[in-house]
Amino acid sequence: DGGITQSPKYLFRKEGQNVTLSCEQNLNHDAMYWYRQDPGQGLRLIYYSQIVNDFQKGDIAEGYSVSREKKESFPLTVTSAQKNPTAFYLCASSNPGTGDYGYTFGSGTRLTVV
Amino acid sequence: EDQVTQSPEALRLQEGESSSLNCSYTVSGLRGLFWYRQDPGKGPEFLFTLYSAGEEKEKERLKATLTKKESFLHITAPKPEDSATYLCAVQAVGGYSTLTFGKGTMLLVSP
Repeated sequence: DGGITQSPKYLFRKEGQNVTLSCEQNLNHDAMYWYRQDPGQGLRLIYYSQIVNDFQKGDIAEGYSVSREKKESFPLTVTSAQKNPTAFYLCASSNPGTGDYGYTFGSGTRLTVV
Repeated sequence: EDQVTQSPEALRLQEGESSSLNCSYTVSGLRGLFWYRQDPGKGPEFLFTLYSAGEEKEKERLKATLTKKESFLHITAPKPEDSATYLCAVQAVGGYSTLTFGKGTMLLVSP
């Protein structure tokens, strides 16, 4: 079955450490997205990518970085510059070129600073 | 700037007690309005896309409607398994394909 796989499900980060969250999709979707979800805040856009080797900053990109070297993969690195990284991170994909703009989401990664 | 406001923030219903969730939006030009269901600790699951005012879509006990300023998610005779957070999102015409989300409505249906 096609879908989006996020790993790990739970991740713990020490102060000053960079961590990378994995997102892989086998839906053949062109566009991929990273959102952050905090209690009471809703989903906020971190980065998105419309095609391979291209990505744009979202509303809260500071302290994060991404790469899009393959169509299937869109990893997110949470750097030490992100002062409040504890949150639930969601990866999504879509295929706007087909006229289907809805997202398919992964199951999320919960990151906790220890 | 696109904005989405959902109300109420939380809603508690008895099993069988029908109600509606509201999603008000402001967007420069609406390409689509999306409803998702999210269970605790999981990713959102797609429910509906609405594209134009007057459009309605149904799935089991859920019915979504759209006007030029808001959308409603009507829940008829809910069951405990309908308990979840319901998210509304909009996408503007032109530009990129990103969605702007509301903060969600947490629904609890008691038996």
